[in-house]
Amino acid sequence: KAGVTQTPRYLIKTRGQQVTLSCSPISGHRSVSWYQQTPGQGLQFLFEYFSETQRNKGNFPGRFSGRQFSNSRSEMNVSTLELGDSALYLCASSRTGSQDTQYFGPGTRLTVL
Amino acid sequence: GQQLNQSPQSMFIQEGEDVSMNCTSSSIFNTWLWYKQDPGEGPVLLIALYKAGELTSNGRLTAQFGITRKDSFLNISASIPSDVGIYFCAGQPPSATGNQFYFGTGTSLTVIP
Repeated sequence: KAGVTQTPRYLIKTRGQQVTLSCSPISGHRSVSWYQQTPGQGLQFLFEYFSETQRNKGNFPGRFSGRQFSNSRSEMNVSTLELGDSALYLCASSRTGSQDTQYFGPGTRLTVL
Repeated sequence: GQQLNQSPQSMFIQEGEDVSMNCTSSSIFNTWLWYKQDPGEGPVLLIALYKAGELTSNGRLTAQFGITRKDSFLNISASIPSDVGIYFCAGQPPSATGNQFYFGTGTSLTVIP
């Protein structure tokens, strides 16, 4: 069974631009969560989508948004990029999203110049 | 949000030694997960724990869900060079709606051949 895939793996943008990251969960998994990982802050929860609905949201500004499609694939969008948005963005999928195990993708490394 | 204290922050050990790390929380959790992350990659699930007192092994790895439900530990026996990486604990509180996990700050493991 294929694992969680994320595209692109690496991305370089400049301040003020916007970016869209994509995540394809494991087949049969309906929950997709997004995390931001930085050396200083560790793994921080952005949001979770389940059956095309945002079910949980972390403490990030409105510039960070996401959506989930009917095939459970998810996208994350960051608008008006700031230098501090440089990070590894990870998505994780799980079957039901309730007391369930999360499986991570390899991440997208975003660098904002 | 929930705080997970993971210790130690880093470890330098000789190949063949045993390793022990732990995670504590100020409140109870229903699920504990342990992950290993290699540089530039997403975390890989090692062990999942769902019941207080549960002791689970995966090869040379053993993890336990604390009786108080506020802690968990991970042991690695007879360490080898490929055990190098960052180990994260993750917990899910009973109050979580959906798939929201809180992560520890990680334990960086270096194995000296």
